[in-house]
Amino acid sequence: EVQLVESGGGLVKPGGSLRLSCAASGFTFSDFSMNWVRQAPGKGLEWVSSVSSSNRFILYADSVRGRFTVSRDNAKNSLSLEMNSLRAEDTAVFFCARGVPAASGRYYFDFWGPGTLVTVSS
Amino acid sequence: EIVLTQSPGTLSLSPGERATLSCRASQSVSSSSLAWYQQKAGQAPRLVIYGASSRATGIPDRFSGSGSGTDFTLTISRLEPEDFAVYYCQQYGSSPFTFGPGSKVDIK
Repeated sequence: EVQLVESGGGLVKPGGSLRLSCAASGFTFSDFSMNWVRQAPGKGLEWVSSVSSSNRFILYADSVRGRFTVSRDNAKNSLSLEMNSLRAEDTAVFFCARGVPAASGRYYFDFWGPGTLVTVSS
Repeated sequence: EIVLTQSPGTLSLSPGERATLSCRASQSVSSSSLAWYQQKAGQAPRLVIYGASSRATGIPDRFSGSGSGTDFTLTISRLEPEDFAVYYCQQYGSSPFTFGPGSKVDIK
């Protein structure tokens, strides 16, 4: 059974840092791209970042580029998101999601973790 | 950036009725790289449709997707009680992988 479990969320002051983790199990982690998507309270979904299966290709949303860093450890079946210079508008539930390659070569998100809440407030 | 617009914002229907949700893109979505997700309150999104028209594993055949280019549709032929939720479309053809604002299907 595919499982993704996020951790590391919590309350942090503006300007602070936080590191999120996503533990994967039930599939060959190194075969899939991985992604972070967030959802502010009562709002819609926002894609944050994607990392290819081999770590070679990394993408970020403009809203987080330069402040967030995504990484993965295929030996530990783990995905991370290092978040610096946090702002109030970063307050959200952060989901990790598995990326599956479609025939087109693009990746859709087929399994999602339950999410971890990040609150940025003084 | 491809902007996705969903309509209607809210659809109030009764169980057994047909739901038709629309997703329109500001520019053509490459290779029909369009997905639909279902999200219930307090839960993670669940993949329903990928590639504009392919049902995800475990999704019942009352769900169908269609469309290409800039216009896409999710149809639920006969609503079951468990189908009342928010539905998001997402394009994954080009970065940033944008989501629509969502369409809520609630019980009339």
